[in-house]
Amino acid sequence: RKEVEQDPGPFNVPEGATVAFNCTYSNSASQSFFWYRQDCRKEPKLLMSVYSSGNEDGRFTAQLNRASQYISLLIRDSKLSDSATYLCVVTPTSGGYNKLIFGAGTRLAVHP
Amino acid sequence: NAGVMQNPRHLVRRRGQEARLRCSPMKGHSHVYWYRQLPEEGLKFMVYLQKENIIDESGMPKERFSAEFPKEGPSILRIQQVVRGDSAAYFCASSPNEGYTFGSGTRLTVV
Repeated sequence: RKEVEQDPGPFNVPEGATVAFNCTYSNSASQSFFWYRQDCRKEPKLLMSVYSSGNEDGRFTAQLNRASQYISLLIRDSKLSDSATYLCVVTPTSGGYNKLIFGAGTRLAVHP
Repeated sequence: NAGVMQNPRHLVRRRGQEARLRCSPMKGHSHVYWYRQLPEEGLKFMVYLQKENIIDESGMPKERFSAEFPKEGPSILRIQQVVRGDSAAYFCASSPNEGYTFGSGTRLTVV
């Protein structure tokens, strides 16, 4: 079983749509959680951290459910520029440093 | 304040040759991480280094791969006797303690 699992997509949505991505992780002791965005053939960039209380940044809302080991990302009012691959990322407990465990990513394509 | 610099951006090697990938962390950052991304897959952790020390190499293949981060100069990821399966994007990231900054990556193609 993969440590972090995501639906690969692609999700093809029209501009203005609301789209939700899900992610599950296998290590119940994982410490920190993130969503990264990766544009084609470029480096991943941090989109937002994810907290149990939920957090929102503009059109983006992230949620963590530790009991279910489930992370979600909601994008409202999709823009063409949101087209990218969204990576679910967790950090394990050991080491005391930020070794990132990446999911394979969910591809989003927003069309006019 | 330059970001994390990786070079070369693209590297083509024939099977059996050596590949050297370089990563210069952001100024003041003493932690370097290397990740590999195979086609259509997510990034996989390879190795974590601090100056002159390998802290965690649990993601490194046992053979042909090595990494260093000398006191002076960039971090180097070295792949000896490359094979087609080594073709991938290799990303380096640096951090002071928490929070990452990724470089633009090196795309290695083995022909």
